[in-house]
Amino acid sequence: DIQMTQSPSSLSASVGDRVTITCRASQTISSYLNWYQQRPGKAPDLLIYAASTLQSGVPSRFSGSWSGTVFTLTISSLQPEDFATYYCQQSYSAPPLTFGGGTRVEI
Amino acid sequence: QVQLQQWGAGLLKPSETLSLTCAVYGGSFSGYYWSWIRQSPGRGLEWIGEISHSGSTNYNPSLESRVTISVDTSKNQFSLKLSSVAAADTALYYCARHGPTFRRPISWFDPWGQGTLVTVSS
Repeated sequence: DIQMTQSPSSLSASVGDRVTITCRASQTISSYLNWYQQRPGKAPDLLIYAASTLQSGVPSRFSGSWSGTVFTLTISSLQPEDFATYYCQQSYSAPPLTFGGGTRVEI
Repeated sequence: QVQLQQWGAGLLKPSETLSLTCAVYGGSFSGYYWSWIRQSPGRGLEWIGEISHSGSTNYNPSLESRVTISVDTSKNQFSLKLSSVAAADTALYYCARHGPTFRRPISWFDPWGQGTLVTVSS
């Protein structure tokens, strides 16, 4: 199985901050990496697919990049509605499809 | 806009069989796989398995011996059965669309159902 390791597991930030979340794959997954946002009591929502492609309707302050097996989700200017938990997920190799452990972004 | 609505029993005793169904509204059933994913504090997000409109399945090897996913294309529904449940199977279960199939391995989960909390307790 491909292990996905996110860091940090949680972070505190303020509105307007630039926030960076990292996801590391245990082996090469090319660019087959997705990011999701989950607000409390809700199902995850797709933010970014294929490492850097923004899902339709997602604000441009979200961006994704990668180098090798390290993937990064960046929020350029944190907004109040961005306080949530973020997950990465690899689609390179299945079964099984695997997710990272999540990063909780708190005020 | 595709929407997924799921339902099923929320309280089970150990050794019983979990049964959930997910209905797909507003979009094509073909061209995608239809997945089940669960979430718990201990295991995080865990992919359980998926089925295509034609009935082709893929399962998580860690659960494969206990999982059956089926599809009813006449109703645009797919279902999950997990046998011999234990306390470790207590989780929030989601259905989700996975695809699009023709772009694999570029694929993603979107949209998701609203989630069903399943508790296993004697």
